[in-house]
Amino acid sequence: AQSVTQPDIHITVSEGASLELRCNYSYGATPYLFWYVQSPGQGLQLLLKYFSGDTLVQGIKGFEAEFKRSQSSFNLRKPSVHWSDAAEYFCAVVDSGAGSYQLTFGKGTKLSVIP
Amino acid sequence: DGGITQSPKYLFRKEGQNVTLSCEQNLNHDAMYWYRQDPGQGLRLIYYSQIVNDFQKGDIAEGYSVSREKKESFPLTVTSAQKNPTAFYLCASSTRTSGGADTQYFGPGTRLTVL
Repeated sequence: AQSVTQPDIHITVSEGASLELRCNYSYGATPYLFWYVQSPGQGLQLLLKYFSGDTLVQGIKGFEAEFKRSQSSFNLRKPSVHWSDAAEYFCAVVDSGAGSYQLTFGKGTKLSVIP
Repeated sequence: DGGITQSPKYLFRKEGQNVTLSCEQNLNHDAMYWYRQDPGQGLRLIYYSQIVNDFQKGDIAEGYSVSREKKESFPLTVTSAQKNPTAFYLCASSTRTSGGADTQYFGPGTRLTVL
């Protein structure tokens, strides 16, 4: 069965520090990859997505992610974190080869930012 | 403004009662989805609909029911058969392109508490 793993449940960084949130997936075919962000009690907002082409994708709020097929990873990065980035981050995948267009989500990484 | 609305934001239910959560979208999207979110569990798919008058069970459909009589609306009923209904419920919608390369957009969510 398809799965998405976010190894870090909770990460704390200082404001201004760099950030990398990890995401690994298990699929046979080319996946479609997404990162969403959720503030407490709110819905999910799309940060960025990868369907094909350049493996380094830029998103909103200064985030970027890199698709590495050899490592089955799609890690999210930001060079300098702001206090407003504190939220929960979800990686999600669609297996384009499975005939089903369902999103499978990781369990999320909660980001805390120290002022 | 185009978007997805969910109502109510908070909902309280007594054990043994059915309750219906509303989801409306004005994005002209064909596909709509319902997810359940529990702390530390990510999002799990309850039901989805790719076209009016048609819907499919997701991973955790037991104890839930849906209808899709209009393109804009996809209400979710939490029945008394759902053993642990207290959770945060998220509705999403997307276009329905071939190959699954569709971005899902999320509503603000409904928090259901069973008393």
